[in-house]
Amino acid sequence: NAGVMQNPRHLVRRRGQEARLRCSPMKGHSHVYWYRQLPEEGLKFMVYLQKENIIDESGMPKERFSAEFPKEGPSILRIQQVVRGDSAAYFCASSPGQGVAYGYTFGSGTRLTVV
Amino acid sequence: AQSVAQPEDQVNVAEGNPLTVKCTYSVSGNPYLFWYVQYPNRGLQFLLKYITGDNLVKGSYGFEAEFNKSQTSFHLKKPSALVSDSALYFCAVREGSGNTPLVFGKGTRLSVIA
Repeated sequence: NAGVMQNPRHLVRRRGQEARLRCSPMKGHSHVYWYRQLPEEGLKFMVYLQKENIIDESGMPKERFSAEFPKEGPSILRIQQVVRGDSAAYFCASSPGQGVAYGYTFGSGTRLTVV
Repeated sequence: AQSVAQPEDQVNVAEGNPLTVKCTYSVSGNPYLFWYVQYPNRGLQFLLKYITGDNLVKGSYGFEAEFNKSQTSFHLKKPSALVSDSALYFCAVREGSGNTPLVFGKGTRLSVIA
């Protein structure tokens, strides 16, 4: 029973390129959350998705960032025209339901470096 | 809006001594509280949670946390620290309704010295 799988583990992009981060939730989990971790800032919520639906994107920057969770396949966090400030660790988490008692299971993260 | 404060960026404790990592929260409804631990270059691992019931919650690796409603706190504790407990600890809260995502504190780095 694999946990939350994120790939790639490390991603290097030049300024202006696109970054695509993938997340496969745990088996049986249909809720996916993306967080960004910057040094000294802790984890910041970005977006919450269920299959084919964005439930809450209040933490997503208005431009260049998008997320999807299609009916088939992993959830994708896409960053267009990356800038140095996008360098961070991006974590995906999943849960089996939306009830508040559910904690999250986290992946190991993707560390994005923009050069 | 819900929020979490971890007032200490760093906590140092000698091996074998008790440890406390502090957390206070703010929500408008009932709080659901969590502690996670992060080891270097890894994701977050669940330690324990408070949903309802006993204010003292026991979790993984000998950790426990005490929910104090009047002080809006949920401090993480362990009676005897191990060097292997050295890691980054995050407190998180969800408000007791709907689809609100977990809100995390900034984290506290615990260093256990042999």
